[in-house]
Amino acid sequence: AQTVTQSQPEMSVQEAETVTLSCTYDTSESNYYLFWYKQPPSRQMILVIRQEAYKQQNATENRFSVNFQKAAKSFSLKISDSQLGDTAMYFCAFMGRGTSYGKLTFGQGTILTVHP
Amino acid sequence: EAQVTQNPRYLITVTGKKLTVTCSQNMNHEYMSWYRQDPGLGLRQIYYSMNVEVTDKGDVPEGYKVSRKEKRNFPLILESPSPNQTSLYFCASNVQRGSTDTQYFGPGTRLTVL
Repeated sequence: AQTVTQSQPEMSVQEAETVTLSCTYDTSESNYYLFWYKQPPSRQMILVIRQEAYKQQNATENRFSVNFQKAAKSFSLKISDSQLGDTAMYFCAFMGRGTSYGKLTFGQGTILTVHP
Repeated sequence: EAQVTQNPRYLITVTGKKLTVTCSQNMNHEYMSWYRQDPGLGLRQIYYSMNVEVTDKGDVPEGYKVSRKEKRNFPLILESPSPNQTSLYFCASNVQRGSTDTQYFGPGTRLTVL
C-alpha cells in the first residue's frame, strides 16, 4: 500500500516571497504519478502540477515547480512570487500506474497562508 | 465545458435515512472515484470504477454502495447513514491516456448526518 506524508500542517509566507511545501511518499511501484492539488476556501480541488516518475526533469507550471527526488521518495512544491490568491490547503497525492491505477492516495494537507 | 458535477452540494439528514449523491461527467472518462475528506486525514478513496459495471473498493468502503450502469454516472449510496459519515465528499474522473492521466474533481458535497 502507498502512503503519502505531509509533515507541515501549516505554513505562512509574505506576498512576493518563495515558499516550499514538503511531501514524502512510500511505494513499491516503480512507475507512478505525483500531484499537487490546491483547495481554496471554495473547497474545489484544483490541479497545480503533475510529475511522471519516469521523467527525471522536474515539472514546472508558471510560478509553481517541484523538486522530485525519486530515490529519496520526496516531492516538494515550490511557489515563487507568492500571491494572496495562493492562500489555500495544498495536498500532495500519489497514483500508481500498475494495480493501483485510478486510486489517488493523499497526504494530510498543508494550509498555506500568504500575508500582504 | 468539460466538468464533473455532483448533486446535492449540501445535505443535512438524519441517521438511517437512505440517500444518494449523484455524480456525472461529460468527458467520456472510463475511471470514476468517490473520496471523502476529513480534517487531518486528507482525502480517502471510498470506491472506484474502471468502466461500466466494473467497481472496486477503496480504502474506506464500509457503509457505502456504488453502481456504474452508464459511463457518465457514478452515484454514491448511503443506505443507512450514521453520524460518522458526516464529511465532505468528492467525485472524480479520469481517462487512462498517458499525458492526461489526471483526475478531475467535482465541486464536492457537504453531508451532515444528525
